[in-house]
Amino acid sequence: DTAVSQTPKYLVTQMGNDKSIKCEQNLGHDTMYWYKQDSKKFLKIMFSYNNKELIINETVPNRFSPKSPDKAHLNLHINSLELGDSAVYFCASSQEGAGGDFGELFFGEGSRLTVL
Amino acid sequence: GQSLEQPSEVTAVEGAIVQINCTYQTSGFYGLSWYQQHDGGAPTFLSYNGLDGLEETGRFSSFLSRSDSYGYLLLQELQMKDSASYFCAVRDLYDTDKLIFGTGTRLQVFP
Repeated sequence: DTAVSQTPKYLVTQMGNDKSIKCEQNLGHDTMYWYKQDSKKFLKIMFSYNNKELIINETVPNRFSPKSPDKAHLNLHINSLELGDSAVYFCASSQEGAGGDFGELFFGEGSRLTVL
Repeated sequence: GQSLEQPSEVTAVEGAIVQINCTYQTSGFYGLSWYQQHDGGAPTFLSYNGLDGLEETGRFSSFLSRSDSYGYLLLQELQMKDSASYFCAVRDLYDTDKLIFGTGTRLQVFP
């Protein structure tokens, strides 16, 4: 029944490793996002996809590669992890871009990444 | 660019009223949204103001003044469960269509 679900909820890994986070939404939305929340709780958009097409790439290092196999799924792969990548990564979805007329996004529970 | 400023922290006691302010600088403004996030949880949508004035939803109200580039979230009859972080957000129409979040306000409610 979960509207936006992401896995895993926690990742602990060493610098230099590669990791992936998966996201699925069952709301029938056309647009999906990745947001990064740092230790100061700033929520910053990373990527946005509309119906499998990349719409927004917010100057994220190319070690981060999103993939959307279909409009219900958006995955995030991170290569060569660095200490500064430690954060909570949130997947979100909305029917229209930027949350539509009311700016309403539906967020997953987050994936807390810790790089040692 | 866009910027949205909020106080970093607000404290209050149960039953009280608290106001969380948000001032924004945007090149194109569509409306102001508010989100709540409990520790360890997901941000959840609370309210939206597209026009000037007050929108009320139960104990929570949100206000917008476009001329002042200012809005606030008003929480009444505070309960312990209202302890959370609150974010304002605007839709950025200038460059790419995306939702930009404010710096966030941590609300602590004490008994």
